[in-house]
Amino acid sequence: AQSVTQPDIHITVSEGASLELRCNYSYGATPYLFWYVQSPGQGLQLLLKYFSGDTLVQGIKGFEAEFKRSQSSFNLRKPSVHWSDAAEYFCAVGAPNTGNQFYFGTGTSLTVIP
Amino acid sequence: GAVVSQHPSRVICKSGTSVKIECRSLDFQATTMFWYRQFPKQSLMLMATSNEGSKATYEQGVEKDKFLINHASLTLSTLTVTSAHPEDSSFYICSARDPPDRGFHNEQFFGPGTRLTVL
Repeated sequence: AQSVTQPDIHITVSEGASLELRCNYSYGATPYLFWYVQSPGQGLQLLLKYFSGDTLVQGIKGFEAEFKRSQSSFNLRKPSVHWSDAAEYFCAVGAPNTGNQFYFGTGTSLTVIP
Repeated sequence: GAVVSQHPSRVICKSGTSVKIECRSLDFQATTMFWYRQFPKQSLMLMATSNEGSKATYEQGVEKDKFLINHASLTLSTLTVTSAHPEDSSFYICSARDPPDRGFHNEQFFGPGTRLTVL
């Protein structure tokens, strides 16, 4: 069965520090992979996505993620975090074999301290 | 572009009443839309898959008679929460799946969500 794991429920980083949010998935083939950000009371904003090709993808707001097939991972990174990055981050897997039904991770809450 | 809207953004209703939430794809035709529910500080849980012109497919544990879904056109799906109770209070998010011929890999585009509060 398909599943998505975000091991870190909550992460706190200092402004200007680097960030890595972990995402591991379970899927029988190469999935579509997404990272979304959600501010309190708001909808989802797509940060970046991977369908195929280059395994390092660039997204908005200075975020990037790397697909590692051998580790079934799609970790999100940012070299220097800004206070405005504080939000909830969701990793999602789209299953091409089932019409791209989405499976979401449980989310990682990011706190940025000045 | 691929914009999905939801209406209303917030709704407060009394227990026992019904509430309708609309999900519209504004610049593309979506044969498939999805409805999700999100409790505070939790992830999105898929409730149902809405297919234009046919009955919705509900996930296990979701009451189809309570959460009525209608996908009457290629740009509109509605979710009606019937006889709402306080435990139905939640954040409801819809998404519309891009059709294959647009080359977006069947990507889902999400609406901004609807906050339902049942008193």
